[in-house]
Formats: sequence, structure tokens, C-alpha cells
Amino acid sequence: KQEVTQIPAALSVPEGENLVLNCSFTDSAIYNLQWFRQDPGKGLTSLLLIQSSQREQTSGRLNASLDKSSGRSTLYIAASQPGDSATYLCALNTDKLIFGTGTRLQVFP
Amino acid sequence: GAVVSQHPSRVICKSGTSVKIECRSLDFQATTMFWYRQFPKQSLMLMATSNEGSKATYEQGVEKDKFLINHASLTLSTLTVTSAHPEDSSFYICSARKLGPNEQFFGPGTRLTVL
Repeated sequence: KQEVTQIPAALSVPEGENLVLNCSFTDSAIYNLQWFRQDPGKGLTSLLLIQSSQREQTSGRLNASLDKSSGRSTLYIAASQPGDSATYLCALNTDKLIFGTGTRLQVFP
Repeated sequence: GAVVSQHPSRVICKSGTSVKIECRSLDFQATTMFWYRQFPKQSLMLMATSNEGSKATYEQGVEKDKFLINHASLTLSTLTVTSAHPEDSSFYICSARKLGPNEQFFGPGTRLTVL
């Protein structure tokens, strides 16, 4: 059974810091991996999609990498801002999405 | 773009009544939509997979007679919570899968409160 773990569970940092959020999974048989953010009481916003054959994707200040052999993905956030405060979820797509446990990020001014 | 809407965004109902939630893909066709529920401070739990023109596939432990799913067109799926009880109070979120890289896009969610 595929298990997806995210560390840290929570993170509080001052604005301007560069951050790394980690996602690990047990089975490398995936179609792709998506990173989402969720603001309190809201739905999910797709941030980045890394297909199985790719190693990384970038969008603005966000960079996500995928290493299937080690069962890991990382989301790198450069120059964090208070508006980045949210819960970040990674999800493996094996036909269905299997969500990680999430990282609650707070960036304070 | 890839926008998914849900309606209503918030609903309060009495115990024993039925509530219908709509999920629409606004600018793309979705042969597959998914329904999730989320309890406070927990991750999303997949309830069912909805395929256009066929019966939904429910996850283990989800009652298909209680959570009725209809996917009548390539842009609309509905979830009906029948005979709602207070324990059905939750945040319900749908997603729609776009063809190509198999990416899912999520609606804004519906907060259901059963009194």
C-alpha cells in the first residue's frame, strides 16, 4: 500500500527565507506527482505537476523535484512571503491521487 | 485555464434532509471527476470516482446509497447526501481530471453543516 509522508508537519519562518518541504513515498509506480496549496476553508490550488519521466518543474519562486528511485520529492520556495502561508500537500497520481500528510507553513513579516 | 466550480459553497440543513452539491469544469471537459471529504486538520479522503455516463466507483467504507453520484455530462458531476446526519457535516471537495498529463484540478469546496 502506497504511503505518503510529508515533513515537517509544521513550519514557521520569517519572511525572506528559502524553504524546503519534503515528501516521501513507498512505491515508485506513479504516473506523476502534484504539489498543491490549501488555504484555510478553501479548496486546493495546483502548484506544480511533475510527470513520471521528469525530474523537476519550476514556476516562479517554486521549484519541485522528483526522485523516484529514492521515493522523494521536494518543494523549494525561494524568498518566502507572508502570502505563502498555507498548507502544502503533495499527492501521488497512481490513477487516483494519494495525498501526503501535509505541511502547515506560516511565514511571518 | 482549468477552472472547477462547486455550488453551493456553504449549506446548512436539518437532519434527515438531502443535499445536492454540484461540481462543474468550466473551461475543459472532464471524463473523470472525483469527490473527497475533509475533516478539520486532516488531509483529503477520496470518497468516489465518477466517470461520465457510467456508475461511480466508491472507496471502501463509503455508502453508495447514502452518497449518490451522478456524472451526466462531461462538465458536471453531482453528489447528493441523502438523509443527512450531523456526522455527515464536513468539507466536500470535488476535482476534475484533465486529459493529457493526468492532472487534477480542484473545486473550492462545499461546507456542509447538518443540524
